[in-house]
Amino acid sequence: DAGITQSPRYKITETGRQVTLMCHQTWSHSYMFWYRQDLGHGLRLIYYSAAADITDKGEVPDGYVVSRSKTENFPLTLESATRSQTSVYFCASSTLTGTDGYTFGSGTRLTVV
Amino acid sequence: QKEVEQNSGPLSVPEGAIASLNCTYSDRGSQSFFWYRQYSGKSPELIMFIYSNGDKEDGRFTAQLNKASQYVSLLIRDSQPSDSATYLCAVKSGPGAGSYQLTFGKGTKLSVIP
Repeated sequence: DAGITQSPRYKITETGRQVTLMCHQTWSHSYMFWYRQDLGHGLRLIYYSAAADITDKGEVPDGYVVSRSKTENFPLTLESATRSQTSVYFCASSTLTGTDGYTFGSGTRLTVV
Repeated sequence: QKEVEQNSGPLSVPEGAIASLNCTYSDRGSQSFFWYRQYSGKSPELIMFIYSNGDKEDGRFTAQLNKASQYVSLLIRDSQPSDSATYLCAVKSGPGAGSYQLTFGKGTKLSVIP
C-alpha cells in the first residue's frame, strides 16, 4: 500500500530493554522525521533525516538512535528504555521542498513499565 | 528557540457557528504555515497551508496570515460536530539550515456542541 506506515501500533516494554520502532514510506520522500507527542508538550522532534545515510538530532534526541540505510526506511531505536520515554511516537515524511507539509504515519503508542 | 504559541482551549462553539483558532510565532523569517487536525488517538492530518499574507479559502476552512504581526489563524465556518478535534499550527522557516523543519504549537482543542 502506498503511504507511510509505522509498526508496531502498540508496544509495552520493560525498563532497560532495547526497542525499535519501524517507519516505512513508499513515496521516496527525501525527508523523514521522528516526533514524540506528550500531553502538555505537543509534538517534539527527536531525529530527522534529509536523505539516506544523512541524519541529525532534533530537540529531544537523548536515549534514541536512528539509521537510514534506505530512503524508504527510518527506524527509531530506544537503546535502554526508560519510563520517561513512554509516549506516542509519530514518523513523518516530506518532499525535498516540503511545500506540502509533512505526512504522518499512524503512530506507535509505547509504554515503558 | 523558535516558538509557536496556541491557546490550548478547549474552545467550545455551537454547531453552525464560526470557530476561530489562533496562532502566533516567534521566528520572523518563517515563510510557510500549516494547519493540522488531529482527532483523539489519531495522527495529525494536514488541512490547510498558506504562504502569502491574506486569506486562503478551502471549503469551510479559511487560513489567514499576517506576517507583520506574526499571526496566523484558521476559521471554520458552519462548524460541525465532526470538526471536534485538536488543531495544530505548524511553521516552517525560510531558506537556510533547518528550513525543511516544522515547528508545531501545542494545539487548540475544539469542541463543537450539537
